[in-house]
Amino acid sequence: EVYLVESGGGLIEPGGSLRLSCAASGFTFSTHTMNWVRQAPGKGLEWVSYISQSSGTIYYADSVKGRFTVSRDNAKNSLYLQMNSLRAEDTAVYYCAKIAGTTGADYWGQGTLVTVSS
Amino acid sequence: QSVLTQPPSASGTPGQRVTISCSGSSSNIGTNRVNWYQQLPGTAPKLLIYRNDQRPSGVPDRFSGSMSGTSASLAISGLQSDDEADYYCAAWDDSLHGRVFGGGTKLTVL
Repeated sequence: EVYLVESGGGLIEPGGSLRLSCAASGFTFSTHTMNWVRQAPGKGLEWVSYISQSSGTIYYADSVKGRFTVSRDNAKNSLYLQMNSLRAEDTAVYYCAKIAGTTGADYWGQGTLVTVSS
Repeated sequence: QSVLTQPPSASGTPGQRVTISCSGSSSNIGTNRVNWYQQLPGTAPKLLIYRNDQRPSGVPDRFSGSMSGTSASLAISGLQSDDEADYYCAAWDDSLHGRVFGGGTKLTVL
């Protein structure tokens, strides 16, 4: 069975930093592109970042560009999101996700809540 | 303001057929395939449709997807009470170099 388990969320003051992790199991992590998607309280889904299998291609949403950094360690089956200069508007549940493309393989974690507040 | 436009709400009675639209542009729906997700409160999104009209295994055939030009649609037939949820369309956008989501449609089963 496929599992994606996020961790690292919590309460952080504006301007602070946080590193999210996502541990993958049950599928061949190294052969799939991965994403971070967030959802602010009571709001819709917002894509945050994409990373290719070998980390050679990385994209960010404009709202986080220059502040967030995505990375992965295929040897550890793990995905990361380093979040710096956090703002109140970054408050959201953050999901790591393998999003379906050509095939119907689509996996999401349970999400980790990041709250940016003083 | 979402790049993909969905109606904020939709409703129907049990057994009815409901359609949810998703309007985009040439850089997203016009070029790339659309996924549809169902999200129940407090849970992660669940894939209903991928590649515009394909159903993953385990998704009932009451759910169907279609695409024409720069718009896509999700149809739910034989509406059931547990279909009450938020529904999102999503596609890759070549101009933004990122995935875009619709704003979501809250489906109410009356």
